[in-house]
Amino acid sequence: TQLLEQSPQFLSIQEGENLTVYCNSSSVFSSLQWYRQEPGEGPVLLVTVVTGGEVKKLKRLTFQFGDARKDSSLHITAAQPGDTGLYLCARGAQKLVFGQGTRLTINP
Amino acid sequence: DVKVTQSSRYLVKRTGEKVFLECVQDMDHENMFWYRQDPGLGLRLIYFSYDVKMKEKGDIPEGYSVSREKKERFSLILESASTNQTSMYLCASSSPGGRGGNQPQHFGDGTRLSIL
Repeated sequence: TQLLEQSPQFLSIQEGENLTVYCNSSSVFSSLQWYRQEPGEGPVLLVTVVTGGEVKKLKRLTFQFGDARKDSSLHITAAQPGDTGLYLCARGAQKLVFGQGTRLTINP
Repeated sequence: DVKVTQSSRYLVKRTGEKVFLECVQDMDHENMFWYRQDPGLGLRLIYFSYDVKMKEKGDIPEGYSVSREKKERFSLILESASTNQTSMYLCASSSPGGRGGNQPQHFGDGTRLSIL
């Protein structure tokens, strides 16, 4: 199983601040998915990135796939309490391998 | 919207019991998956199935089995529950997708299982 390392594991910031979380691998991957899991619910897909250097935006969330396709980042601008949750990256096609997640808390 | 339904949100069982976790999806997806989620470890794949009556081992199949008699239903079985199987269990489904796959997985809300 090829590992995905996510950092940081925990992040607690104030509402309105910006943040970036990372997902890294030692090997190239063809695509990467980002999921968010809110307390008491299952993960929900946010975005899939497939091309090296690709940038995708989802409102205040910006996802980037590294040029070498070994890493990805998620940047949140002006974080809000509703962004609180566990952010998971996953690689693979039909069968996914997940990182351990970044638990994000946005304090009002 | 895809709906993946897990039969129980919370379950408490005793060591040595045979435990059944049920999952049903309503989108005619071929693929179904069972994961367990533990703090700091992310989601780890237990078993998956690409079609009815087909099953394949994931990364941590020991102590578990599965059953897929109908396309919409995928059951996870703990043959003889042990305390180290206390965890959150998540079921997911997806369609096969094209050559690159990249199909999103749709998750249920999980079953928090405690083995005493």
